[in-house]
Amino acid sequence: KAGVTQTPRYLIKTRGQQVTLSCSPISGHRSVSWYQQTPGQGLQFLFEYFSETQRNKGNFPGRFSGRQFSNSRSEMNVSTLELGDSALYLCASSRDSFLAPQHFGDGTRLSIL
Amino acid sequence: ILNVEQSPQSLHVQEGDSTNFTCSFPSSNFYALHWYRWETAKSPEALFVMTLNGDEKKKGRISATLNTKEGYSYLYIKGSQPEDSATYLCAFGVNTGNQFYFGTGTSLTVIP
Repeated sequence: KAGVTQTPRYLIKTRGQQVTLSCSPISGHRSVSWYQQTPGQGLQFLFEYFSETQRNKGNFPGRFSGRQFSNSRSEMNVSTLELGDSALYLCASSRDSFLAPQHFGDGTRLSIL
Repeated sequence: ILNVEQSPQSLHVQEGDSTNFTCSFPSSNFYALHWYRWETAKSPEALFVMTLNGDEKKKGRISATLNTKEGYSYLYIKGSQPEDSATYLCAFGVNTGNQFYFGTGTSLTVIP
């Protein structure tokens, strides 16, 4: 069974640009969550999608947005990039966001110059 | 924003030692508690999903307990091996929204 696939693995952008990250969940998983990890911080929740609907959003500015397609694949977009957006972005999928374990991708390492 | 605390922040033990870490979370609005192991250069891997007060889960040499009334979970590793070296994360799920609050993790190093 294929795992969670995130693309790209690494990305370098400059301030002011925008970026789109992609996540393909495990087949059959309808819940996709996105997290940001910066040095010294735990995983910070960005948002969770289930069957194309955003069910919850973390405490991030509106520059961070996402969507989920009918095949459960999800994208995350960050506009007007800032230096502080440099981080590892992880996507996780599960059958049910609470009662089943989350399966994580390898992440996208985003660096802002 | 809910506070999930893990202690200790880091731990060095000798191979063969047993060890344990703590995850503390708010005792109200509890829905689920997850434990994950995160090895360097890999993605986090699920260890346990715990939902009931008094739950005890075991996977090989690793076990976990849950106390939802007082808001803590313990993770135990018996006879630590070098391959147990990783960061152990706990994640607290509340019943008021579909999101997890992660602790900052306990970094375990097992010295051969």
